[in-house]
Amino acid sequence: AQTVTQSQPEMSVQEAETVTLSCTYDTSESNYYLFWYKQPPSRQMILVIRQEAYKQQNATENRFSVNFQKAAKSFSLKISDSQLGDTAMYFCAFMTGSTPLVFGKGTRLSVIA
Amino acid sequence: DAGVTQSPTHLIKTRGQQVTLRCSPKSGHDTVSWYQQALGQGPQFIFQYYEEEERQRGNFPDRFSGHQFPNYSSELNVNALWLGDSALYLCASSLVTTGELFFGEGSRLTVL
Repeated sequence: AQTVTQSQPEMSVQEAETVTLSCTYDTSESNYYLFWYKQPPSRQMILVIRQEAYKQQNATENRFSVNFQKAAKSFSLKISDSQLGDTAMYFCAFMTGSTPLVFGKGTRLSVIA
Repeated sequence: DAGVTQSPTHLIKTRGQQVTLRCSPKSGHDTVSWYQQALGQGPQFIFQYYEEEERQRGNFPDRFSGHQFPNYSSELNVNALWLGDSALYLCASSLVTTGELFFGEGSRLTVL
């Protein structure tokens, strides 16, 4: 079974600084997809960034980028120029073409003014 | 373009009762997945519906059942509620071809 581990229950960062959230996963599959979702207090889960395992290039979406290390089964999220609106729970998630999306337990990020 | 909508947003039930939660998928989506998110935890997969059939199921008892209608909307039913069923229930829709999930705001269920 696939598992996703987020080892940082809580993190904080000063506004405008950079923060990295960690995620590791376990799978025997070679083709899969990795995601970072953001869940603000409003509860709605919002997709931040997506990475296909077959792509070697790390995905980037504006201030958000990932460091995908396939051999190490690591998928960290870097948030640059942190903003107060980035305060939220962040979930790392994994899926294959035949299995549902599996989430980690989340990291609570607080951006401090 | 309406996103995923869920109803009700909040509800309170007592132990032993039954509950039905509803979900309308994002326009154009054909697949609906349901997740249970306990307080302080990540979402746990309950089941997924496609073409009105349960396609996949997570590790949840038979008290949890669902349905998908011809217009792709879906219901989640939970029978014989117990305190541990208190959670945020999230619905997500997707296209079976892409798999990328779009989530609703959830239904917060409290069982007393």
